[in-house]
Amino acid sequence: AQTVTQSQPEMSVQEAETVTLSCTYDTSESDYYLFWYKQPPSRQMILVIRQEAYKQQNATENRFSVNFQKAAKSFSLKISDSQLGDAAMYFCAYRSAQETSGSRLTFGEGTQLTVNP
Amino acid sequence: NAGVTQTPKFQVLKTGQSMTLQCAQDMNHEYMSWYRQDPGMGLRLIHYSVGAGITDQGEVPNGYNVSRSTTEDFPLRLLSAAPSQTSVYFCASSRTGFEQYFGPGTRLTVT
Repeated sequence: AQTVTQSQPEMSVQEAETVTLSCTYDTSESDYYLFWYKQPPSRQMILVIRQEAYKQQNATENRFSVNFQKAAKSFSLKISDSQLGDAAMYFCAYRSAQETSGSRLTFGEGTQLTVNP
Repeated sequence: NAGVTQTPKFQVLKTGQSMTLQCAQDMNHEYMSWYRQDPGMGLRLIHYSVGAGITDQGEVPNGYNVSRSTTEDFPLRLLSAAPSQTSVYFCASSRTGFEQYFGPGTRLTVT
């Protein structure tokens, strides 16, 4: 079974600065997808960024980028130019590429990000 | 296009009571899932479905039942509520399994 670990329960960053959230995972599969979700106090789960394991290029979405190290099974999220609205709980998630798995996600424990003005 | 809707938003049950959490999506998505979120544990998969008439167990299925008679609806039934089922429940749907759309969640308290 796959596992996802986020070793930083809490992180803080100054507004306009850069912060990196860590995520490691364990799997025996070679093809899979990785995601970062954001959950603000409203509780809504919002997809931030996604990465296909077969792609070597790191995904980027505006101020959000990932550092995907397949051999090390590491998937960190970098937030540049942090904004107050980035304050939220961030979850790393894994999904197998096998069709029979449906869309089931395995989540990490989450990292609570605080942005200080 | 309402996306994924969940009802109710909040619910309090007594131990032993049963109830159904409703989930509906209007995006014609084949894949639907139920997760529970507990403090410090992230989201855990309860049950999932890859299409109407097809369901399977996730990581924490005990005490829950699902059925998928239509593409749009995926209700989650609590057979006999226990305090350990106090949690926030999320329903999600996906067309390809790649990007999931989550509902707003249901906060359930069992006393």
